[in-house]
Amino acid sequence: DQQVKQNSPSLSVQEGRISILNCDYTNSMFDYFLWYKKYPAEGPTFLISISSIKDKNEDGRFTVFLNKSAKHLSLHIVPSQPGDSAVYFCAAGTYKYIFGTGTRLKVLA
Amino acid sequence: NAGVTQTPKFQVLKTGQSMTLQCAQDMNHEYMSWYRQDPGMGLRLIHYSVGAGITDQGEVPNGYNVSRSTTEDFPLRLLSAAPSQTSVYFCASSRTGEGNTIYFGEGSWLTVV
Repeated sequence: DQQVKQNSPSLSVQEGRISILNCDYTNSMFDYFLWYKKYPAEGPTFLISISSIKDKNEDGRFTVFLNKSAKHLSLHIVPSQPGDSAVYFCAAGTYKYIFGTGTRLKVLA
Repeated sequence: NAGVTQTPKFQVLKTGQSMTLQCAQDMNHEYMSWYRQDPGMGLRLIHYSVGAGITDQGEVPNGYNVSRSTTEDFPLRLLSAAPSQTSVYFCASSRTGEGNTIYFGEGSWLTVV
């Protein structure tokens, strides 16, 4: 049973527009939610996180929203840039983290 | 600025061989873990550790062993390699607290033939 789901395997967005990546989870006991970006042949790199006691966290162009009642989080990237093209993973947990299957974002110039 | 260091980066094994993927972190993190990444499957947790001497299974532990004798090191052992273990392996470390973050190594590409 997949505890963390990213239902969109891919997403294409025009440069300058907003990218919205979604993630759903099943375990209400998760304390932290993280977003990672991954380029081919590299390790995942941390983007932004949110704790379960908050509903929004912002860092530059990246904002994460957490809806605990819906067990849903989303990552907003505004404005999107071609360099944002990568695979994005959401993860949930405390020290033991479960990852989603990833969404491949392509930002079109 | 080492962070999380994994070795080797690439390895080819024959079915039935054993090997150890090494992982070391220099951030004094309590928590360490191993993930594998396969196409369409995302990152799946193999084993994790909450401190020296303490390990536990993740989502896909079969065929792998781990130990944590020091805070810094968390090796992953493949006992008898199988083609299904062909994958990219990532070691990670983290600490609890506000702004919790997992730091990943650069990955180890393993092919079992």
